[in-house]
Amino acid sequence: AQSVTQLGSHVSVSEGALVLLRCNYSSSVPPYLFWYVQYPNQGLQLLLKYTTGATLVKGINGFEAEFKKSETSFHLTKPSAHMSDAAEYFCAVSVSHTGTASKLTFGTGTRLQVTL
Amino acid sequence: GAGVSQSPSNKVTEKGKDVELRCDPISGHTALYWYRQRLGQGLEFLIYFQGNSAPDKSGLPSDRFSAERTGESVSTLTIQRTQQEDSAVYLCASSLVGTGGTEAFFGQGTRLTVV
Repeated sequence: AQSVTQLGSHVSVSEGALVLLRCNYSSSVPPYLFWYVQYPNQGLQLLLKYTTGATLVKGINGFEAEFKKSETSFHLTKPSAHMSDAAEYFCAVSVSHTGTASKLTFGTGTRLQVTL
Repeated sequence: GAGVSQSPSNKVTEKGKDVELRCDPISGHTALYWYRQRLGQGLEFLIYFQGNSAPDKSGLPSDRFSAERTGESVSTLTIQRTQQEDSAVYLCASSLVGTGGTEAFFGQGTRLTVV
């Protein structure tokens, strides 16, 4: 079974400051890792994902994440926060195999607040 | 349609009533998923469909919950004899099948309030 732990249910940063949202996972097989963002009253939107290959993954809106197998981590970063980044962020893991669907296991989410 | 569509967007129901939630996936997406998001919590997996069969129903919380899907199209999630703890946002997602790490596309959800 897989699990995801997101450290910090709320993170507050100043506009222009570094954003760091932490995610650790547990999986008995090589995982696929995702970050989704949820804006108020909206569904989830994929920010980025790691499947195989390069461990530093770049996503939309200037976000990136690095897969570190030794640390079982997939932390999300952005060099400079913008007010529009305020949202809830979810880390998720799946272990889909070819020919099957990708059931996601989510963390509990981190709400990012950006202040002036 | 262009994205995953869910209806209704909001539903208020009295305790004990049955409710039906609808999901219209992206055309061509064989896989369809239902998740539940309770206030202040992450998303809980409920069930997924591959075509019209449901290989994994492990997340359905009780026998009051059921779901069906017609072919590779619309799915309905039915909650019978609703309870207050069923209040949540119910999210539907769809994806292609056959590649690892496939992106799931989410609808905007149905906010269910049981009073």
